[in-house]
Amino acid sequence: DGGITQSPKYLFRKEGQNVTLSCEQNLNHDAMYWYRQDPGQGLRLIYYSQIVNDFQKGDIAEGYSVSREKKESFPLTVTSAQKNPTAFYLCASTWTLGNYEQYFGPGTRLTVT
Amino acid sequence: KNEVEQSPQNLTAQEGEFITINCSYSVGISALHWLQQHPGGGIVSLFMLSSGKKKHGRLIATINIQEKHSSLHITASHPRDSAVYICAVPYSGAGSYQLTFGKGTKLSVIP
Repeated sequence: DGGITQSPKYLFRKEGQNVTLSCEQNLNHDAMYWYRQDPGQGLRLIYYSQIVNDFQKGDIAEGYSVSREKKESFPLTVTSAQKNPTAFYLCASTWTLGNYEQYFGPGTRLTVT
Repeated sequence: KNEVEQSPQNLTAQEGEFITINCSYSVGISALHWLQQHPGGGIVSLFMLSSGKKKHGRLIATINIQEKHSSLHITASHPRDSAVYICAVPYSGAGSYQLTFGKGTKLSVIP
C-alpha cells in the first residue's frame, strides 16, 4: 500500500537535546513538506523540498533543519535552538510542487520537557 | 499572503442534522482544499475544487470564486463525522505552490 509513514507517533525529549523526526513516502512523489500544528492554529510550513538535495525554508524554519538525500525520505531535526518545540508535526507530499493535493502522514507528537 | 478564515470554530450538532462549515480567503486562487483531521491527528484530503460544486457521499463542497468563499456541507450527520475540518488555499494566490491553512472547525456530532 502506498502512503506516508512518520515515526514515532509520540516522542519525548529533554530540553537541550536535538531530535530527528522520520518521514518516508512510497508514492513516488517529488515534493515533500513539513508542517507544525499548535492548538488553535492552522498548519504552518517549516520546510519543503521539490527534489532530492534541494529544500527551502517555510514560514517558521528557525530552529529546524532538514535533509533530502533520497526521494522517499525527508527527515526533520528539531534542534535545541527551537524555543518552543512541543507540538504536533505533520509530513506531507505531492507529485510536483505545483500540485495542490497533498497527502499527509499520521503525524508525530513531540513533547519536550 | 492569503488569509484564510473559517467559521464556526466549534460546532456541535445532533445526529442527522445538516452541517455547514464556511471558509473565506483574501487572494484569488485556482483551487481550494477541504481536509479532515481525525481525533488521532491524521489528515485526509476530502475535496480539491476550483469551481462549482463537488459531492462525495454525504459531503458536498461548493466554491464561489468571485466572492472568495467556499462551504462544506454534511448531510445527515453522524457521530463518525466528528473531526476537525480544515480549509487550505494557495499561499499567495493562483500559481503559488505552497498552501496556507485555516485554523479548522471542530465538529462534534452527538448521537
